[in-house]
Amino acid sequence: SQTIHQWPATLVQPVGSPLSLECTVEGTSNPNLYWYRQAAGRGLQLLFYSVGIGQISSEVPQNLSASRPQDRQFILSSKKLLLSDSGFYLCAWSRGGSTDTQYFGPGTRLTVL
Amino acid sequence: AQSVTQPDIHITVSEGASLELRCNYSYGATPYLFWYVQSPGQGLQLLLKYFSGDTLVQGIKGFEAEFKRSQSSFNLRKPSVHWSDAAEYFCAVAPAEYSGAGSYQLTFGKGTKLSVIP
Repeated sequence: SQTIHQWPATLVQPVGSPLSLECTVEGTSNPNLYWYRQAAGRGLQLLFYSVGIGQISSEVPQNLSASRPQDRQFILSSKKLLLSDSGFYLCAWSRGGSTDTQYFGPGTRLTVL
Repeated sequence: AQSVTQPDIHITVSEGASLELRCNYSYGATPYLFWYVQSPGQGLQLLLKYFSGDTLVQGIKGFEAEFKRSQSSFNLRKPSVHWSDAAEYFCAVAPAEYSGAGSYQLTFGKGTKLSVIP
């Protein structure tokens, strides 16, 4: 069976500091990978998705970037965090193709002070 | 572009009562439809999904949803709510046409928070 991991689970960072969140998937190969942000009262916002190594699509312009250095690893980064980057970050994976379904990780709670 | 509306921000029901959570979507063709549940501080768990065929879909934890094309709705139901069902529920839609260029783009509603009175 497939498993998706995210770490850290919780992070408190000062404004202006860098960020690196990691997501890995086990039990499948060549998954589609996604980063979402969930801010209070604003639902889920798709930030990035990737259909293969080194292939990143950005959905919204922002202070964040994503990378996919390995097939089942997806990293969300920032060089300098803003207060507005606070939120709950969710990684998801899917097999791709028709009738695609996304499965979510446990999330990372980021607080920028 | 597709959109999803969950008109109820917060619903409170008594344990054992029936439940219906509303979801309306806006899309030019038949979409793929999903319901996810999120417990506090947790990720999203897939409850059920509709791609085609029977418009009444059964999911996990005793939930079901019915796709009504004429009403552009995909409401989630459960005949008897348990205290453990207290969580936030998200409806999502994806375009049914697969272009082959990559992945589907899920659009989520803003969620409905369910509270259960013991």
